[in-house]
Amino acid sequence: DVKVTQSSRYLVKRTGEKVFLECVQDMDHENMFWYRQDPGLGLRLIYFSYDVKMKEKGDIPEGYSVSREKKERFSLILESASTNQTSMYLCASGWIETQYFGPGTRLLVL
Amino acid sequence: GQNIDQPTEMTATEGAIVQINCTYQTSGFNGLFWYQQHAGEAPTFLSYNVLDGLEEKGRFSSFLSRSKGYSYLLLKELQMKDSASYLCAVREVGNNRKLIWGLGTSLAVNP
Repeated sequence: DVKVTQSSRYLVKRTGEKVFLECVQDMDHENMFWYRQDPGLGLRLIYFSYDVKMKEKGDIPEGYSVSREKKERFSLILESASTNQTSMYLCASGWIETQYFGPGTRLLVL
Repeated sequence: GQNIDQPTEMTATEGAIVQINCTYQTSGFNGLFWYQQHAGEAPTFLSYNVLDGLEEKGRFSSFLSRSKGYSYLLLKELQMKDSASYLCAVREVGNNRKLIWGLGTSLAVNP
């Protein structure tokens, strides 16, 4: 079975803090994705990576950066967290036909 | 522009059949996907259609008409555990790594 894990299920941070969200997959997938999901707005793509050190901006990259140093790991970085970044963050990996999602990280920025 | 429309909410009865519709307007088309998401959990893949017609997978079937920009997900013999949000997503031609997601249809199955 494909396994996608995320570093935390719940996270509480303060405005201005630097936040790291990590995602690890065990299926040697080239593509990995970071989404955020908010009520009424659905799933929105922040960034995706199609290979080690390769990345492309999604629909809402502002305020975020990413890092992919190893194929199995894709990190999302909030350089200076703000309250409007309170959300559910979902990592996915896989082929475009089938994306496997991690359990999600519910981030609260105070 | 890009647009995917699904009903926001639907209600059905246990044992019944329900059809969840999805219409899309995108710049070219290269596949349509259905995902299921239970409350508080991550989405899980249900089906993928790239050609017109019906794809059946157990109690779930998905239909696609490319000329009409239309798909539906058909759930038969509904069970309480089918209460979830159902997300429709489309892949456009020329951008094989990104999906355009609908907002999802929240299905409530009542006894």
